Amino acid sequence: DTGVSQNPRHKITKRGQNVTFRCDPISEHNRLYWYRQTLGQGPEFLTYFQNEAQLEKSRLLSDRFSAERPKGSFSTLEIQRTEQGDSAMYLCASSLGDSPLHFGNGTRLTVT
Amino acid sequence: AQSVTQLGSHVSVSEGALVLLRCNYSSSVPPYLFWYVQYPNQGLQLLLKYTSAATLVKGINGFEAEFKKSETSFHLTKPSAHMSDAAEYFCAVTDTGRRALTFGSGTRLQVQP
Repeated sequence: DTGVSQNPRHKITKRGQNVTFRCDPISEHNRLYWYRQTLGQGPEFLTYFQNEAQLEKSRLLSDRFSAERPKGSFSTLEIQRTEQGDSAMYLCASSLGDSPLHFGNGTRLTVT
Repeated sequence: AQSVTQLGSHVSVSEGALVLLRCNYSSSVPPYLFWYVQYPNQGLQLLLKYTSAATLVKGINGFEAEFKKSETSFHLTKPSAHMSDAAEYFCAVTDTGRRALTFGSGTRLQVQP
């Protein structure tokens, strides 16, 4: 069990640029989740995959956000035309069925 | 809709004192409840979970929580705080009909020497 891996750990970008984050879940886990966490708040659910199918999306996931999990393994989260309000920690988690979620260390995005 | 409320955004205790972090939930169906801990610049680590078995749940690092349906509570306790317990603690809820966790806003625990 190598844990959930997220890259990069930190990303600084200028407003209007596109960014992409990657998440590698624990290898046998079939479910993958993306959360966003702002300072002083708990994680907020963004989206969820079971294998390669995206089964649930939060209304927080605006049109500028897109997530993929093409082969049911790693996942990417892309934010287009970034805004300062997108600055946050983006957390990925995975699970095997209904087992508890295992979280990665997150990608901290700063939009200047 | 499900939600959790964590009373007290900051809690400070002395080393060796009792830790009590409060969590109340709202759910229209029997809930699954979790406590996670987060250290600075890290992801969340599961402390313990309640999934409709025993109402008193023991977790890692000496923490435990009791599910009280009548009070819709799932408070986290530890008999004796250690300096290494200083972190942010999150209560979360889900149920069998939904996969994603809904988190509370967190409680930052400080442990004074």
